[in-house]
Amino acid sequence: AQTVTQSQPEMSVQEAETVTLSCTYDTSESNYYLFWYKQPPSRQMILVIRQEAYKQQNATENRFSVNFQKAAKSFSLKISDSQLGDTAMYFCAFSGPGANSKLTFGKGITLSVRP
Amino acid sequence: NAGVMQNPRHLVRRRGQEARLRCSPMKGHSHVYWYRQLPEEGLKFMVYLQKENIIDESGMPKERFSAEFPKEGPSILRIQQVVRGDSAAYFCASSPSTGTPSNQPQHFGDGTRLSIL
Repeated sequence: AQTVTQSQPEMSVQEAETVTLSCTYDTSESNYYLFWYKQPPSRQMILVIRQEAYKQQNATENRFSVNFQKAAKSFSLKISDSQLGDTAMYFCAFSGPGANSKLTFGKGITLSVRP
Repeated sequence: NAGVMQNPRHLVRRRGQEARLRCSPMKGHSHVYWYRQLPEEGLKFMVYLQKENIIDESGMPKERFSAEFPKEGPSILRIQQVVRGDSAAYFCASSPSTGTPSNQPQHFGDGTRLSIL
């Protein structure tokens, strides 16, 4: 069974600064997918970024990028130029290959961006 | 293009009643997933359905919970004889019909917040 661990319950960052959110996972699969989802106070679940395990290049979406270390089973999210609207809970998630498509989520981290 | 639609947004039930939560996937999506989020927790997978088929129900409690995704109409998550511990946010997600399920990101609805009195 896969597990996803987010060991930091909360973090705080100054507006315009950079912050990194940590995530580790455990799996015996060789191919899989990793995601970061954002959940603002409105409770929506918003996909931030996705990484395919067979791709060595780290995914990037505007101010969001990941540091994917497959051997270490680490998948951290870097948010550059933090904005007040980035304040939310962030969940790391794992999906296996093929028909094994359900998402396994970490417990989440609460990120607060200070003005 | 409408997103994943869940209703109701909020549902209040008394202990022992039945709760029915509805989910209409995005247009062109035939894979539906249900997750439950307890307060201060991450989402936990419950069940994965395709049209008229349950593919994976490994996260569903053995009793009182059932799910369906009929040929026509929304997916329904049904909780019979609700108890206080069923209070949670229930999220539905869908993914496209093309490609392998895991190759397509899941798009989430806004959730149904279930409160049991």
